Amino acid sequence: DTGVSQDPRHKITKRGQNVTFRCDPISEHNRLYWYRQTLGQGPEFLTYFQNEAQLEKSRLLSDRFSAERPKGSFSTLEIQRTEQGDSAMYLCASSSTSGGVTEAFFGQGTRLTVV
Amino acid sequence: KQEVTQIPAALSVPEGENLVLNCSFTDSAIYNLQWFRQDPGKGLTSLLLIQSSQREQTSGRLNASLDKSSGRSTLYIAASQPGDSATYLCALTQGGSEKLVFGKGMKLTVNP
Repeated sequence: DTGVSQDPRHKITKRGQNVTFRCDPISEHNRLYWYRQTLGQGPEFLTYFQNEAQLEKSRLLSDRFSAERPKGSFSTLEIQRTEQGDSAMYLCASSSTSGGVTEAFFGQGTRLTVV
Repeated sequence: KQEVTQIPAALSVPEGENLVLNCSFTDSAIYNLQWFRQDPGKGLTSLLLIQSSQREQTSGRLNASLDKSSGRSTLYIAASQPGDSATYLCALTQGGSEKLVFGKGMKLTVNP
């Protein structure tokens, strides 16, 4: 498979627990993005990596959120001390630039429910 | 701050109609504009990407146009089919940032 892969697809957790999501980008893509989407809304940008460097972070990414891409391949997004407001779909995307064009490709997402 | 708007939020049509989906944005200094499709509970599928220097892109029954001066993009779907039922989102990037700024999407239902 050559698409963006996210794991798990669904996660139910109790408030206050920590959760970690994984994203495997398309293999030749050097850029990786995390977005969050709530019901009825478009995705909102959280953070972006080029290779292993985290180059851009949204103010939405509070200190309870941390993302890593240690070897410039897969990435993890961790949420500490989850709150009910963290319930959302977490989407990962990857891209590379070809001919001056950067096109983002998304994974299937991780649906988080905090109870 | 860039804002992306998609109106209407939902549309229901009979099969076979030709459709125009609208996307407007407040800042014309965009880099790329991308149209996506999202099925319920799933991720996003890229449909078309238009660079800022382009006016339109076509793929099969889909045609997307871009008019930066008026802050608008349209997605044209020819001969709609029930399988086209999904939420359609437009998103754009601006110079100096890699992030996509999304509209809220338009939920399309094509009835057999």
